[in-house]
Order: sequence, then C-alpha cells, then structure tokens
Amino acid sequence: EAGVTQFPSHSVIEKGQTVTLRCDPISGHDNLYWYRRVMGKEIKFLLHFVKESKQDESGMPNNRFLAERTGGTYSTLKVQPAELEDSGVYFCASSPIPGVSYEQYFGPGTRLTVT
Amino acid sequence: RKEVEQDPGPFNVPEGATVAFNCTYSNSASQSFFWYRQDCRKEPKLLMSVYSSGNEDGRFTAQLNRASQYISLLIRDSKLSDSATYLCVVNPGGYNKLIFGAGTRLAVHP
Repeated sequence: EAGVTQFPSHSVIEKGQTVTLRCDPISGHDNLYWYRRVMGKEIKFLLHFVKESKQDESGMPNNRFLAERTGGTYSTLKVQPAELEDSGVYFCASSPIPGVSYEQYFGPGTRLTVT
Repeated sequence: RKEVEQDPGPFNVPEGATVAFNCTYSNSASQSFFWYRQDCRKEPKLLMSVYSSGNEDGRFTAQLNRASQYISLLIRDSKLSDSATYLCVVNPGGYNKLIFGAGTRLAVHP
C-alpha cells in the first residue's frame, strides 16, 4: 500500500513569492492533516480536513496560508506571499475514520526555504 | 508551559543498554498517546500507541500514568539502529489533532 506522498520534496523561493505544496494521502483515508516544523521547534499542527471539509484550522498562522482539498482526495497548501519565518518542513499526515484509530501516518515532508 | 514536555537529551548509550524516556503532558482531558520515532531529516514514524494498561512491542515498552499525566518509553537491548529522535505525542481529544513534544535524541554507540 502506498504511503502519504508530498510534492515537492524541497522548495527554495524568495520572500514575497508564492509556493504551493501538495499532499496525497493514503488511499481511503478521509482525514488529512498539515503540520509544520520550523527550525529548533517542535512539530505543530496547522489544520485538519475530513474529506473536503475543514474540520479544524486553528493552527493556521495567518491568512497568507490557504489549504484546499477539492474532491476529498489530495490537498494543497499555498503560501502567498511567503515570508522568511515560513521556512521549515511541512508535513502532511492522514488517518482513517476517527474513533477507530487515532494513529496518523506522515508523508516525507516538503522542506521550504524562503530567502 | 509547553503542552508536551520531554527531556531533549541526547542520551548516549552503548549497544545492549536499557534506556528510558519520560514525557509529561498538561491537558488532563487528553485521550490518546503515542511514541513516534524520527530519523534525521525524515518524517515521524509511529512507533507505538500507549495504553493505560501499558503495552509492549518486542524490546519496547510504553506506560501511561493518567493521574500524573506522565508517559514513558523503555527500550531494552539497544541496537545501533535505535539511534533517532523519539517524539512523545498526545491527542488532546476533540478534533483529533496531534500535539508533539520537542523530542528526545538517542545515540547508541558500539
């Protein structure tokens, strides 16, 4: 079974530019999460989709971040315009039906560098 | 105060040693608990879920003490391949997001 995949693996952009990250969850997983690790800090939750609906976006840092999950399959996370403090590793995770298991499976991450 | 606190280490141990990691969490209503393992520049990988009754998976034993809001991980007979960062992770309930500790680094040497 294929795991969670993310694209790109690395992205280097200049301050003010736009970047779009993509996540493909494990097939059949309704729940999709975005997390971020900035240098020297712990991994932090950004938001949670159940199918195409945003269940919890309490971790989104500001309105420069926009996440979508059209059709309830893959998700994109757009940062526009990017700032220096957005640099970090963005992880996507997925899980099956909540209540059955709360275990989440992580993708390899996208390492974003804003210069 | 952080929601999940761990000793950052590093723990440097010889092969074959037994090592224990501890973690505390602040939200008494937390519902699920996990240990994840993260290798350098890789994604976190689920090591094991932690149950109130305690659970064991081979050389790994996890314990949960809800009264003290304390989680532990014991690794017996350490292998070189156990070298990694061990993340204590808590699901506070509600919407199913995970709260991560900063991780404890383990280095196993020959």
